[in-house]
Amino acid sequence: AQTVTQSQPEMSVQEAETVTLSCTYDTSESDYYLFWYKQPPSRQMILVIRQEAYKQQNATENRFSVNFQKAAKSFSLKISDSQLGDAAMYFCAYRSLTSSNTGKLIFGQGTTLQVKP
Amino acid sequence: DTGVSQDPRHKITKRGQNVTFRCDPISEHNRLYWYRQTLGQGPEFLTYFQNEAQLEKSRLLSDRFSAERPKGSFSTLEIQRTEQGDSAMYLCASSLFIPYNEQFFGPGTRLTVL
Repeated sequence: AQTVTQSQPEMSVQEAETVTLSCTYDTSESDYYLFWYKQPPSRQMILVIRQEAYKQQNATENRFSVNFQKAAKSFSLKISDSQLGDAAMYFCAYRSLTSSNTGKLIFGQGTTLQVKP
Repeated sequence: DTGVSQDPRHKITKRGQNVTFRCDPISEHNRLYWYRQTLGQGPEFLTYFQNEAQLEKSRLLSDRFSAERPKGSFSTLEIQRTEQGDSAMYLCASSLFIPYNEQFFGPGTRLTVL
């Protein structure tokens, strides 16, 4: 079974600075997707960025980028020029592409990001 | 596109009562997922529908839980004889059936069992 681990329960960053959230995962599969989701307080979860395992190039979406290390099974999220609106709980998630293709997501425990003005 | 909606947003019930939650997915989405999220944890998969067919159920979904998606549109999740351990946020998500199927999440139903 696949597992996702986020070892940083809480992180803090100064506004306009850069922060990196860590995620490791365990799988024996070669084809999968990885995601970072953002869950603001009392608001619904939204997708921040995704990475296809077969792509060597790291995904980037505006101020958000990932460092995907397939061999190390590591998938970190870098937030540049942090803004107050980035404060939220961030979840790393794994989706198998080979087992029954249900599309279900396996989430990590989450990292609460605080942005200080 | 009004997004995924869930009703109610909050539910407080006494132990032993039955509760039912509703999820309305994005209209053209044929996949629907239910997850459970306890405080400070990540969501855990409960069950999945493709159209009206329930294709996978997690071991977390005990016999007291049942989910339906009649006509492949909205879905309901019922919990019978609720227990305090059922207290959690119940999230619904929907997606299209494509190789990369981004899941869009609803706001969730927070259940408190007293």
